[in-house]
Amino acid sequence: KQEVTQIPAALSVPEGENLVLNCSFTDSAIYNLQWFRQDPGKGLTSLLLIQSSQREQTSGRLNASLDKSSGRSTLYIAASQPGDSATYLCAVPNNAGNNRKLIWGLGTSLAVNP
Amino acid sequence: NAGVTQTPKFQVLKTGQSMTLQCAQDMNHEYMSWYRQDPGMGLRLIHYSVGAGITDQGEVPNGYNVSRSTTEDFPLRLLSAAPSQTSVYFCASSLTGVYGYTFGSGTRLTVV
Repeated sequence: KQEVTQIPAALSVPEGENLVLNCSFTDSAIYNLQWFRQDPGKGLTSLLLIQSSQREQTSGRLNASLDKSSGRSTLYIAASQPGDSATYLCAVPNNAGNNRKLIWGLGTSLAVNP
Repeated sequence: NAGVTQTPKFQVLKTGQSMTLQCAQDMNHEYMSWYRQDPGMGLRLIHYSVGAGITDQGEVPNGYNVSRSTTEDFPLRLLSAAPSQTSVYFCASSLTGVYGYTFGSGTRLTVV
């Protein structure tokens, strides 16, 4: 059964710092991995999608990497800003015959302090 | 604005009451789904639909019903509310369901 773990659960950094969020999954045979952002009291926003054949994806100050063999993905945020404060979640499809069922981590709650 | 619209945003129910959470999208997405989010449990899939007239169960379907009569709408029905259904509910849609998700802003439900 696929399980997704995110470490750390919470992170507080000063503005301007580069930081890394981690996501681990137990079944390496994934179709893709997605990173989302959730702001308090709001829904989720899709940030990056990495297909199983890719090693990384970039969007602005965000860079996500994928190492399937080790069951890990990292989300790198460069030059963090207070507006980056949110909860970041990763998700992978359930590989048990239905890749439309996502399995989610619990998220990393990020606070970027001015 | 295009997106996923959920109503209501907040709801308090008494145990045993029934209600319907509404979800509508205007992006012509075939795939729609309902999640609940609980502290320490993360997001869990309740039901999903891959097109009008087609629905299937997720991880935690008990106590919930869905139907998909149109591409745009995917309501979630609580048949007899229980305190264990106190949660934040999210509706999400996607063209295929594999990626490219758009989420609604959520419904915070409290059952007393």
